[in-house]
Amino acid sequence: NAGVTQTPKFQVLKTGQSMTLQCAQDMNHEYMSWYRQDPGMGLRLIHYSVGAGITDQGEVPNGYNVSRSTTEDFPLRLLSAAPSQTSVYFCASSYGGGHQPQHFGDGTRLSIL
Amino acid sequence: LAKTTQPISMDSYEGQEVNITCSHNNIATNDYITWYQQFPSQGPRFIIQGYKTKVTNEVASLFIPADRKSSTLSLPRVSLSDTAVYYCLVGLNSGYSTLTFGKGTMLLVSP
Repeated sequence: NAGVTQTPKFQVLKTGQSMTLQCAQDMNHEYMSWYRQDPGMGLRLIHYSVGAGITDQGEVPNGYNVSRSTTEDFPLRLLSAAPSQTSVYFCASSYGGGHQPQHFGDGTRLSIL
Repeated sequence: LAKTTQPISMDSYEGQEVNITCSHNNIATNDYITWYQQFPSQGPRFIIQGYKTKVTNEVASLFIPADRKSSTLSLPRVSLSDTAVYYCLVGLNSGYSTLTFGKGTMLLVSP
């Protein structure tokens, strides 16, 4: 089983460029979310979705957009990349909300010069 | 959201039992306690979850006292491959909660 798949695994951008981080899951999970992890820090929630067509902001949403047109996919868009967005980005999915265990992808390592 | 406090780091040797304690003094009645493990260059992985008393699976045990203000993750006979960061999370029973991953506990297992 593929689980949660994130692409690309690595990316280097220049300040001001835009890009989309892809996330796909094959477990038919309703809930999906995006986190960022900075060195020595825990994971911080960027955006999340409780089902197709429904998204909401997490703790650090500024500079990011999301949409959820299908159950399987939850892309994260950087509108105008800034060096402060250099981080490792993780996508996760879960069967339900609350305490339901989340399944994580292996991350996208993003550097912005 | 209940805030959690856990040690920044712990050291152990192969074959020892490791206990990592997490404090969550303001845990709510409906909150569950969940532990995740994260290896370098990988996403976190669910280990175990509990509500009260003791839970055991093939990987670990979770001890929760009656007042539920703390919990202890127990890893029996650790190996080098158990070197990882362990996160304790406390979250709502229903609905989507913005679960917060703190800095976790970095466990280093040495030969």
